[in-house]
Amino acid sequence: SAVISQKPSRDICQRGTSLTIQCQVDSQVTMMFWYRQQPGQSLTLIATANQGSEATYESGFVIDKFPISRPNLTFSTLTVSNMSPEDSSIYLCSVDRTGDNYGYTFGSGTRLTVV
Amino acid sequence: AQSVTQLGSHVSVSEGALVLLRCNYSSSVPPYLFWYVQYPNQGLQLLLKYTTGATLVKGINGFEAEFKKSETSFHLTKPSAHMSDAAEYFCAVSDLGGNEKLTFGTGTRLTIIP
Repeated sequence: SAVISQKPSRDICQRGTSLTIQCQVDSQVTMMFWYRQQPGQSLTLIATANQGSEATYESGFVIDKFPISRPNLTFSTLTVSNMSPEDSSIYLCSVDRTGDNYGYTFGSGTRLTVV
Repeated sequence: AQSVTQLGSHVSVSEGALVLLRCNYSSSVPPYLFWYVQYPNQGLQLLLKYTTGATLVKGINGFEAEFKKSETSFHLTKPSAHMSDAAEYFCAVSDLGGNEKLTFGTGTRLTIIP
């Protein structure tokens, strides 16, 4: 199965600033997904990133707040812009099919605290 | 659109007892179903998945789940709980499978009583 490296693992940021989260996969994948997990909550999909096209955002998430890049088939970034304390969450990237053993694999997450 | 309902946000069982975590789904097409586990301060780990074929699916760490189409359920079980099973468990559904997003349930926190 694919191995995902997600960086940073955690960060504490000042409100009003931006943080870029990186997700590197050890194999080529078609689609990458970015999720948010607010404290004590389940995972909510932010957007789907397909290489070579604009990311598709879910209801309640906008590109200006969460710009995503997908420059190639193994890498993606999510930026959390103009942060407020409400953005304090765990952000996770995920990839689809991982070889023959179909399943979604998740990165270890980025724990973001905004102060 | 698909959805997932996990009954019971918190479940406590004694060590050695049966673990049963409930998951019901709603999907307009045959679903792909997943169970994930999240240990404290860690990412999500796939426990097991149902795509097609045998409806009883065996996963890691002694867990299994049965897909029951008539009941739209995919409950997770383990015959004998271990202290190391204490974690958050998420049921998820995907339409079509592959290149589609996962929709997660709200999660069930499993506590094991010594």
